[in-house]
Amino acid sequence: NAGVMQNPRHLVRRRGQEARLRCSPMKGHSHVYWYRQLPEEGLKFMVYLQKENIIDESGMPKERFSAEFPKEGPSILRIQQVVRGDSAAYFCASSRDLQNSNQPQHFGDGTRLSIL
Amino acid sequence: AQKITQTQPGMFVQEKEAVTLDCTYDTSDPSYGLFWYKQPSSGEMIFLIYQGSYDQQNATEGRYSLNFQKARKSANLVISASQLGDSAMYFCAMREVEQGAQKLVFGQGTRLTINP
Repeated sequence: NAGVMQNPRHLVRRRGQEARLRCSPMKGHSHVYWYRQLPEEGLKFMVYLQKENIIDESGMPKERFSAEFPKEGPSILRIQQVVRGDSAAYFCASSRDLQNSNQPQHFGDGTRLSIL
Repeated sequence: AQKITQTQPGMFVQEKEAVTLDCTYDTSDPSYGLFWYKQPSSGEMIFLIYQGSYDQQNATEGRYSLNFQKARKSANLVISASQLGDSAMYFCAMREVEQGAQKLVFGQGTRLTINP
């Protein structure tokens, strides 16, 4: 499967624990985006990364949330001290070089985070 | 301000009929891109079709076509000969470029149900 790979597909955490969501982009893609989807809503942009750099984190909550895309390995979205309101589906997307503006973002299957 | 508006929360259509899903957008940027994604009940996001702001012709992909009316700022998705498998949420999205970073802004979605 050469698509965007996200794991885990489902993640259950208790309030106060940490959640780590992983995303491996499509082969040849160097741009990664994270989105959050609350029930019955559209996706909301969180952060855009290139290898080792955060380009735009304007959609990230200021506290408890962080993202990285290291030189080697998957992109990680980390949520510390989770609260019930963090329950959502988190989607990762990747794309090629942005010079060609019609390149779609290809999405993974998402991680469903549930906070008990 | 809402940048992408999908005015139909739900649509019910008979199998084999054509269906139009509405999408209007708001931007002052002369260069932009519009995307449609399908989200079945299993949750993944599937890219359907893309329309660039400078494209002279409406985009088509198999049974999907985009009715792009630039002056009205609308980009409606048309699905011809609907099938039961078309039942899903459909999201319209616009690529927004800010300070060199690209992100997708999504509408609230339309839930399409195809009746046999």
